[in-house]
Amino acid sequence: DSGVTQTPKHLITATGQRVTLRCSPRSGDLSVYWYQQSLDQGLQFLIQYYNGEERAKGNILERFSAQQFPDLHSELNLSSLELGDSALYFCASSPEGYIFAGNTIYFGEGSWLTVV
Amino acid sequence: GENVEQHPSTLSVQEGDSAVIKCTYSDSASNYFPWYKQELGKGPQLIIDIRSNVGEKKDQRIAVTLNKTAKHFSLHITETQPEDSAVYFCAASKGSGTYKYIFGTGTRLKVLA
Repeated sequence: DSGVTQTPKHLITATGQRVTLRCSPRSGDLSVYWYQQSLDQGLQFLIQYYNGEERAKGNILERFSAQQFPDLHSELNLSSLELGDSALYFCASSPEGYIFAGNTIYFGEGSWLTVV
Repeated sequence: GENVEQHPSTLSVQEGDSAVIKCTYSDSASNYFPWYKQELGKGPQLIIDIRSNVGEKKDQRIAVTLNKTAKHFSLHITETQPEDSAVYFCAASKGSGTYKYIFGTGTRLKVLA
């Protein structure tokens, strides 16, 4: 158990809908990262938050957004869902805002999103 | 742009044999290289990592080697066991204030009993 908690574990929704994925980082970790894993794209970095502020953006679509709350949990909001958004969404956390050599990130179990 | 190539995509070995997975990175500024193991239905779990100032690191049956000149790094698993069957991901990161890993596309390792 990495200590990173994600809910829900599984979610099925229709195209055009909006969903929210939730993540609680490891105790004491200030950074939260969101990754998308699909069969043909591997692990793609979406966005990072550090202590409530957006720190870095990756290949995140405009239909997606995230935030980190004062208690450090984070939510990833996915809207106007398309079939191609079906994927496993991972949250990860780390103590620091930057990945220094030797400072790794720890992944949660993921949220399976199926868009039908 | 930044890229990490990983080979092979699938690998089958007999129990007790060795397995080697290779990655090549494009950004010469990368200086931290973790390896993750992902079992079915679970999140990636760190198994070993190496920094750019080290050429090799070993932890029991797992070792990682790094060739900075060639921008290659490899994962070596010796005396493979059925529980080693999983998907393995390599990643590269720059430590100087950056924030993200670039992951390889993964290797599905099957250890045949």
